[in-house]
Amino acid sequence: AQTVTQSQPEMSVQEAETVTLSCTYDTSESDYYLFWYKQPPSRQMILVIRQEAYKQQNATENRFSVNFQKAAKSFSLKISDSQLGDAAMYFCAFGGGSNYKLTFGKGTLLTVNP
Amino acid sequence: DAGITQSPRHKVTETGTPVTLRCHQTENHRYMYWYRQDPGHGLRLIHYSYGVKDTDKGEVSDGYSVSRSKTEDFLLTLESATSSQTSVYFCAISELRVGYTFGSGTRLTVV
Repeated sequence: AQTVTQSQPEMSVQEAETVTLSCTYDTSESDYYLFWYKQPPSRQMILVIRQEAYKQQNATENRFSVNFQKAAKSFSLKISDSQLGDAAMYFCAFGGGSNYKLTFGKGTLLTVNP
Repeated sequence: DAGITQSPRHKVTETGTPVTLRCHQTENHRYMYWYRQDPGHGLRLIHYSYGVKDTDKGEVSDGYSVSRSKTEDFLLTLESATSSQTSVYFCAISELRVGYTFGSGTRLTVV
């Protein structure tokens, strides 16, 4: 079974600064995907970024990038130039194994201070 | 997301009553999932389906059943609701290597 650990229940950042959210996972699978989802107060789950395990290059989506360390089983999210709209709960998730079930971490609540 | 809808969006029910939540997709995806979200626990998988009439249990399946008689519909039933089932329920759909899409969630309160 897969496990996903987010060790930071809460984080805060100043507007325009950079913040990194941590995520580690444990799996015996070799073929899998990793995701970061954002959940604002509207409770909608919004995909931020996705990383295929077989790709060594770190995924990037505008101000969002990941640091994927496969051997260390680490998948951190960096948010650059933080904006007030980035304030939300962020979930790290692992997708793999039979039937590609998603396993989530417990989340990190990000506050952005003006 | 327009390709997946959940109903109802909110529901209050009494302890001991049966409750059915509906997930409907228009994407023709093979995989469908039900999750519950509780503070401090993230999202946990209840049941999932990998095809019509093909379902299996997730990590928190006790007290829940599911059915999928058509590709587009995945029903979650609480056979006899308890206060511990007060939660926000999310449905998700997936096609392998494409990604996962979530519904807007159902907030269920059991009183």
